[in-house]
Amino acid sequence: GDSVTQMEGPVTLSEEAFLTINCTYTATGYPSLFWYVQYPGEGLQLLLKATKADDKGSNKGFEATYRKETTSFHLEKGSVQVSDSAVYFCALRTRASYDKVIFGPGTSLSVIP
Amino acid sequence: SQTIHQWPATLVQPVGSPLSLECTVEGTSNPNLYWYRQAAGRGLQLLFYSVGIGQISSEVPQNLSASRPQDRQFILSSKKLLLSDSGFYLCAWSPRGQMNTEAFFGQGTRLTVV
Repeated sequence: GDSVTQMEGPVTLSEEAFLTINCTYTATGYPSLFWYVQYPGEGLQLLLKATKADDKGSNKGFEATYRKETTSFHLEKGSVQVSDSAVYFCALRTRASYDKVIFGPGTSLSVIP
Repeated sequence: SQTIHQWPATLVQPVGSPLSLECTVEGTSNPNLYWYRQAAGRGLQLLFYSVGIGQISSEVPQNLSASRPQDRQFILSSKKLLLSDSGFYLCAWSPRGQMNTEAFFGQGTRLTVV
């Protein structure tokens, strides 16, 4: 079935460090891909998305490129801030399972001053 | 614009007591509705999803049930809570049949079973 795999962390970085959170997927057909962020005690918010191969989603300095050849959607940010501390979830929807949004396990990020 | 309401925000319930969590969506019609659970330090587990009134799909057999009595109302219930039901419950909605569109989440309910 469709699934998402991502590094679980926790990841601890110093402020202004470069961030990469890996995400790979298994899906029937060509999924839409999403990154969500969850701040402590809150629900999930969409961070960015990409709906077809080679699309790049970007928001708040975060970027991710839809790579069909490697079935990946890695999240990157050039310079993290303390306020980026949160849990990040990679997710997908496919035409075969469009009624469901399938999430990875989440990656906890802590940014220290 | 669309909004999703989920309540209560926090709940402490004794083992064996019943549960009812409610979620409503405004500003859209015929949404897909979802209940997820997030155990402490864990990822999101899809519990139920619904594509229409009275249509409920269960992802994981367990002590919980869901109902959709109205188009934009989704209820999560239990007759007798277990300690293992503790967690953070999230309701979400998405436009039906639009795979390029994300799901939108409520603020969650923190349930502690004691």
